[in-house]
Amino acid sequence: DAKTTQPPSMDCAEGRAANLPCNHSTISGNEYVYWYRQIHSQGPQYIIHGLKNNETNEMASLIITEDRKSSTLILPHATLRDTAVYYCIGLPQGAQKLVFGQGTRLTINP
Amino acid sequence: EPEVTQTPSHQVTQMGQEVILRCVPISNHLYFYWYRQILGQKVEFLVSFYNNEISEKSEIFDDQFSVERPDGSNFTLKIRSTKLEDSAMYFCASIRGGGYTGELFFGEGSRLTVL
Repeated sequence: DAKTTQPPSMDCAEGRAANLPCNHSTISGNEYVYWYRQIHSQGPQYIIHGLKNNETNEMASLIITEDRKSSTLILPHATLRDTAVYYCIGLPQGAQKLVFGQGTRLTINP
Repeated sequence: EPEVTQTPSHQVTQMGQEVILRCVPISNHLYFYWYRQILGQKVEFLVSFYNNEISEKSEIFDDQFSVERPDGSNFTLKIRSTKLEDSAMYFCASIRGGGYTGELFFGEGSRLTVL
C-alpha cells in the first residue's frame, strides 16, 4: 500500500471549507486514494475515493494533483459534526484490506 | 440504509476467559473483516474472510483468535483466552465485491475490557 503523509491535526471554523492535505508521493498508477473518517470512537466511515480525476459526492470533494503525488479532501461547509480523525489511504486495485495510518485530527470550532 | 451491526457494544471479562464478538454484515456482502483499535492508537487490521475461509490475517491474529461464519448472517470473532492487552474496540466490516473497489462498511464496534 502507498505510504501517505498527513498533518496530525488541523482546525477549521464552522461554516468554512476544511481542506485536508495528503501526500502520497510513492503512489503507483493503479492505486486509488481513499478517504475515511472516524468520529470519536465510532467505526470508520467512508467518505470518497478517486484514481486520477477529481471526485465529488454529497459529503466532500477530492482533488488529486496531476502527478498524483498529493490530494486534498475538501469539506465545503464544515459543521461541528465533522470533527473527526480523517484518514487518507492509498490502495491498489484488487487489494483486500485497508491499512490505516494516524490520520489528521480535524477540529471544527464554533 | 444498510448497516453492519455488532454485539455486544461493551463486554467486560476476566483475563483468561473466552470472548465471542458477534457481527451481522450487510446481507449481500461477500467479504468480511475484523479490525481493532486500542485506546489512543490507530485502527489495525486483524483478519479478512471470504468464501468461508480466512483470506488474510495480520501478525496480531495469532492462535488465540478465530473467526467463523456459523450461518448465513453472523460473523464472529472468538478470543480463546483473553489477555489484558486484548482490551480494545473491535470493529467488524464488510464489502460487497471481490477486489477492493468500493466502500467498506464498518459497524459501531464492540468495546472489550479485560480485567
